Amino acid sequence: LAKTTQPISMDSYEGQEVNITCSHNNIATNDYITWYQQFPSQGPRFIIQGYKTKVTNEVASLFIPADRKSSTLSLPRVSLSDTAVYYCPPGGYNKLIFGAGTRLAVHP
Amino acid sequence: DVKVTQSSRYLVKRTGEKVFLECVQDMDHENMFWYRQDPGLGLRLIYFSYDVKMKEKGDIPEGYSVSREKKERFSLILESASTNQTSMYLCASSTPVGLADTDTQYFGPGTRLTVL
Repeated sequence: LAKTTQPISMDSYEGQEVNITCSHNNIATNDYITWYQQFPSQGPRFIIQGYKTKVTNEVASLFIPADRKSSTLSLPRVSLSDTAVYYCPPGGYNKLIFGAGTRLAVHP
Repeated sequence: DVKVTQSSRYLVKRTGEKVFLECVQDMDHENMFWYRQDPGLGLRLIYFSYDVKMKEKGDIPEGYSVSREKKERFSLILESASTNQTSMYLCASSTPVGLADTDTQYFGPGTRLTVL
C-alpha cells in the first residue's frame, strides 16, 4: 500500500525559501506526485504535479529524484499568505489518500 | 476553470435527521469523491464514484451513503445524523490524466455540518 510521510509542521519567515520534503513509500510506476495547498475553511487546491526531475510553475518548484522515493516542494520567498497546510498524498487507482499534511506557518 | 460547488457552506441539523449534501462539478469529470476533515486527522475518504451509478467505499463509509444519478452530481446522505458526524465535508472531482493512475482532484469549498 502506497504511503507518504511528511513533517507535521514547519515555521518560516517572510522572504525565505521553504522546502517541504515528502517520502513516497511504495510509489507505483504509473503514479504522478502531486502537491496540494489548503487554507483554513477552504478545500485543498492543486499546486504542482510531476513524474520525475524538476517541475516549476508560477507558484512553486517540485524536485523529484531519479528513484522517485521522495519529492521536495520548494516555495521561493514565502509571504504571510503562504501560511497553509501542504499535502503530498500518495496516489492509487483513481483516488488519493490525504494525511494530516504539513502545517506551514510564515512569520513576519 | 474547473468549478466544484457544494449546496451549503454551513448546515445545522439535529440528531436523527436525514441529511443530504449535494456536490456539482461542471467539467465532465468521471470521478467524484466525498471526504470529511476533522482537526488533526487530515482528509478521510468516505465514498467515491468513477462513473454514473457506480460507487466504492472509502476508508470511513459507516453511517453514510451516496448517490450518483448524473455525471455532474454526487450526493452524500447521512441516513440518521449523529453528533460524531459533525465535521467539514469536502467534495472533489477528477478525471484520469493520460496513462497516469494519479489524477488531479479539484475540491469544492466545503460544507461545515453541525449535528446537535
